[in-house]
Amino acid sequence: AQSVTQLGSHVSVSEGALVLLRCNYSSSVPPYLFWYVQYPNQGLQLLLKYTTGATLVKGINGFEAEFKKSETSFHLTKPSAHMSDAAEYFCAVSDREDTGNQFYFGTGTSLTVIP
Amino acid sequence: EAGVTQFPSHSVIEKGQTVTLRCDPISGHDNLYWYRRVMGKEIKFLLHFVKESKQDESGMPNNRFLAERTGGTYSTLKVQPAELEDSGVYFCASSQAETAPGELFFGEGSRLTVL
Repeated sequence: AQSVTQLGSHVSVSEGALVLLRCNYSSSVPPYLFWYVQYPNQGLQLLLKYTTGATLVKGINGFEAEFKKSETSFHLTKPSAHMSDAAEYFCAVSDREDTGNQFYFGTGTSLTVIP
Repeated sequence: EAGVTQFPSHSVIEKGQTVTLRCDPISGHDNLYWYRRVMGKEIKFLLHFVKESKQDESGMPNNRFLAERTGGTYSTLKVQPAELEDSGVYFCASSQAETAPGELFFGEGSRLTVL
């Protein structure tokens, strides 16, 4: 079974500072990789995904993530944090061979942006 | 277009009582998923419907949980009788039949508190 590790359940950054949220997965075959965001009182929203092709993926709101096969990582970054980025972020993977599209999520990272 | 809607948004019940959660997927989405997040832990898969059929229910915790999707439209998840460990947020997600990986659309979740 797949597993996803998100280091740091809480991350605080100053407004304008770099955002780095870490995600590692355990799989011998690279899975599909996703980042979801949950703003307060809202559902999970897809930020970005990697399925194939270019390993640097750009998403909404200025976020991007890079798939590194050798490190089994898919860290999420944003050059300059904005107050509106405060939310909970979830890394998720899906097995390429699973036609049911079942997702495996990490435990989530709560991002606080300090003014 | 309406998104995935879930009802109720929050339910507080006593141990031993019954609760029914409802999910209305996006119209035309054949795939419907239930996930659960227990406080501080990862979001875990419960089950997957394709239209009215259960494609995968390997994540259902035990036989106190019953999911239905009559007519392949909305779905209900019943917990009977509820136990303390059932507390958490229950997410519903939907996707189209032939979809690229990751195109899951999530609802806002139903928070269940069992006292």
